[in-house]
Amino acid sequence: GAVVSQHPSWVICKSGTSVKIECRSLDFQATTMFWYRQFPKQSLMLMATSNEGSKATYEQGVEKDKFLINHASLTLSTLTVTSAHPEDSSFYICSARAVVRDTQYFGPGTRLTVL
Amino acid sequence: AQSVTQLDSQVPVFEEAPVELRCNYSSSVSVYLFWYVQYPNQGLQLLLKYLSGSTLVKGINGFEAEFNKSQTSFHLRKPSVHISDTAEYFCAVQKMKTSYDKVIFGPGTSLSVIP
Repeated sequence: GAVVSQHPSWVICKSGTSVKIECRSLDFQATTMFWYRQFPKQSLMLMATSNEGSKATYEQGVEKDKFLINHASLTLSTLTVTSAHPEDSSFYICSARAVVRDTQYFGPGTRLTVL
Repeated sequence: AQSVTQLDSQVPVFEEAPVELRCNYSSSVSVYLFWYVQYPNQGLQLLLKYLSGSTLVKGINGFEAEFNKSQTSFHLRKPSVHISDTAEYFCAVQKMKTSYDKVIFGPGTSLSVIP
């Protein structure tokens, strides 16, 4: 089946630093990738939709200058949390939709802790 | 806009007993429907999906769900649960025939299987 990886799986950083999270589709091409964040005991909240080669579309309330998304190829999207603060601590999950499929495939998630 | 309701935030059930996790959705257009499972500190795994055709959908791990258009429901069932089924379950919808549209998740149901 389709596999999506995320790197790193967990990261701890100091407040004020930036953190980059990678999302890769390993065995298929993904024209569209999605970034979600999930707080403990809560559902997934979509942050942005990223299409290869174009600017990401952010959901209402998500700061595009704080959460930078780049989808430079059909197999890679990155999320950079700039000037991270403790309230940015969360579980970040990406998903990728294959070119010819209607199903999203989810990565294993990245646990971000900002001290 | 679409929305998803999962009425039961927590469902405890004894091992080998049947279980039903309820999901209702609201949408002005036709939708695809999904059930995902999330084990602790992991990403999401697709259990099953309804795209079209038979309203009874069988998925992995012995789960099945039935699409009821008149009641706008997509309840998940399993005739006999195992300890390993303890996890968070999310119902989700996506607008039909739009490859690039986002998936909307319900708030989740925490299934606890009691030995």
